[in-house]
Amino acid sequence: DVKVTQSSRYLVKRTGEKVFLECVQDMDHENMFWYRQDPGLGLRLIYFSYDVKMKEKGDIPEGYSVSREKKERFSLILESASTNQTSMYLCASSLNLAGGWRYEQYFGPGTRLTVT
Amino acid sequence: GQQLNQSPQSMFIQEGEDVSMNCTSSSIFNTWLWYKQDPGEGPVLLIALYKAGELTSNGRLTAQFGITRKDSFLNISASIPSDVGIYFCAGGTQGGSNYKLTFGKGTLLTVNP
Repeated sequence: DVKVTQSSRYLVKRTGEKVFLECVQDMDHENMFWYRQDPGLGLRLIYFSYDVKMKEKGDIPEGYSVSREKKERFSLILESASTNQTSMYLCASSLNLAGGWRYEQYFGPGTRLTVT
Repeated sequence: GQQLNQSPQSMFIQEGEDVSMNCTSSSIFNTWLWYKQDPGEGPVLLIALYKAGELTSNGRLTAQFGITRKDSFLNISASIPSDVGIYFCAGGTQGGSNYKLTFGKGTLLTVNP
């Protein structure tokens, strides 16, 4: 079974702090994604990566950065946390087969971040 | 950008009843996925559909990829209390930089025992 783990289930940070959210997958997937989920807004893509050291902006990258130094690990960084970044953060991964993407994304359990 | 309209937004049903929900779009998708999310957890993949017209089952769940490529349906038969959760559809497109999934806003299902 695909397993995606996230470093924390719950996190409380203060405004202005630098926040690191870590995600690890154990299935040798090429693609990794970070989403945030808010009531009424659904899942919104922040960043994704299709290879080590590669990253692409999603729909709402402002205020976030990412790092992918190893294939299995994808980190989301909030350089200076703000209250409007209070949200559920979900990491996902997917396989990239020769000849095309597989669109099945496998999600971690999520990190509920509160910024006060 | 692409948008998915998922309906209904919520459903309250009795245990044993069948459930239907759907997603529609003005855009064409080459892939449809259905996920379930329990409270406080990440979404779990239920069914993946890759061909227009395809009908796929996973236990009591059946999903169909609409022939127009603009919609998909999920049916749950003989619901049980553990079916409670939020069900999301997601449409995927292929080619170039069109890598990503577009998600519906979810259908909240409540099952009364």
